[in-house]
Amino acid sequence: LAKTTQPISMDSYEGQEVNITCSHNNIATNDYITWYQQFPSQGPRFIIQGYKTKVTNEVASLFIPADRKSSTLSLPRVSLSDTAVYYCLVGGYYGNNRLAFGKGNQVVVIP
Amino acid sequence: EAEVAQSPRYKITEKSQAVAFWCDPISGHATLYWYRQILGQGPELLVQFQDESVVDDSQLPKDRFSAERLKGVDSTLKIQPAELGDSAMYLCASSYDRGNSPLHFGNGTRLTVT
Repeated sequence: LAKTTQPISMDSYEGQEVNITCSHNNIATNDYITWYQQFPSQGPRFIIQGYKTKVTNEVASLFIPADRKSSTLSLPRVSLSDTAVYYCLVGGYYGNNRLAFGKGNQVVVIP
Repeated sequence: EAEVAQSPRYKITEKSQAVAFWCDPISGHATLYWYRQILGQGPELLVQFQDESVVDDSQLPKDRFSAERLKGVDSTLKIQPAELGDSAMYLCASSYDRGNSPLHFGNGTRLTVT
């Protein structure tokens, strides 16, 4: 199973760009990379998904290098409301490893 | 935007009692998941359904936990008897299929066992 490793926590000032990296050395050919955001007392919320290179949507960008052994979630100009735990998951079609959440990365945005 | 509905939002029960949680997934989502999340940790998958069939319950403590999705729509997770260590957030999620479609989570049921 492709296991993911993320830093435990990080702080950032309001208005800055935040980059969160996830390592997944054993990612399989068919695996996608998906990021979720979780606020206290809520379920995780889908942010972005990608397979290779770069994906961008209205809230974030996802950068995946050619070897796909890591990925970086980029949050532009964070606000206090972006304080949350961020999880990356990897998994492919019918791959149950995509359902394995790690401990996530606690991002705290400071005024 | 359609949401996954869960009830109750909070539940307090005494150990050795039975407790049940209900989940209504997004309409049209064939795959339904139950997760348990202990404070400070990531969600842990308990059981996964594809329509009405269980496709993965390897992490479900079957001596006390049971789950069903009889008509392939809503689902119930039961614990009997509850133990102190079962205190956690129980999250339900659904996805369009078992492939790469994202998981959509409800806001969970916070269980406290006293």
